[in-house]
Amino acid sequence: DVKVTQSSRYLVKRTGEKVFLECVQDMDHENMFWYRQDPGLGLRLIYFSYDVKMKEKGDIPEGYSVSREKKERFSLILESASTNQTSMYLCASSLTGVNAPYEQYFGPGTRLTVT
Amino acid sequence: AQSVTQLGSHVSVSEGALVLLRCNYSSSVPPYLFWYVQYPNQGLQLLLKYTTGATLVKGINGFEAEFKKSETSFHLTKPSAHMSDAAEYFCAVTKPGGSYIPTFGRGTSLIVHP
Repeated sequence: DVKVTQSSRYLVKRTGEKVFLECVQDMDHENMFWYRQDPGLGLRLIYFSYDVKMKEKGDIPEGYSVSREKKERFSLILESASTNQTSMYLCASSLTGVNAPYEQYFGPGTRLTVT
Repeated sequence: AQSVTQLGSHVSVSEGALVLLRCNYSSSVPPYLFWYVQYPNQGLQLLLKYTTGATLVKGINGFEAEFKKSETSFHLTKPSAHMSDAAEYFCAVTKPGGSYIPTFGRGTSLIVHP
């Protein structure tokens, strides 16, 4: 069964802390994504990666960075957490290829609170 | 550029009533279309998808959706709502052979009353 796991379901951090959110997929997918989800705003893409060590900015990359050292793992880093980064963070993965339908598989999410 | 519009941020139905969640898209080519469901405090999971072929697609939990090219729509339906259907539903599109990054609608929260 397809699986995307995230390191924490709930996380509470202090303003200014460096925060790491980890995501692991076991489907050998090339593409991995980080979204944040806020009420009324839907899903907003932060960063994505289409290969190991490759990354591309999404719609709202400011204040975030990512790392993909291995195909199965994609990390989101908040360099200096701020209260406006309090949100639900969702990781997803998908296949690539000309005929791939590109459906995404999501992790359970990490609800981050920055105080 | 693609866009997805989900009409109604909240839809309320009684248990046993028809569920209809609306999704309209704009795309330069016929897209791939998806519905995802998100239960409280969980990630999204695929409900159903349309890529090619039959325009009426069936998904999990009794849901189905019909791709109507002339109306640029992909509405989600279920004949009889169950309390367990209460969730957030997202419509999404991708462009065949193009970017693998989906465009999501803003979501519709389905409320089911007993």
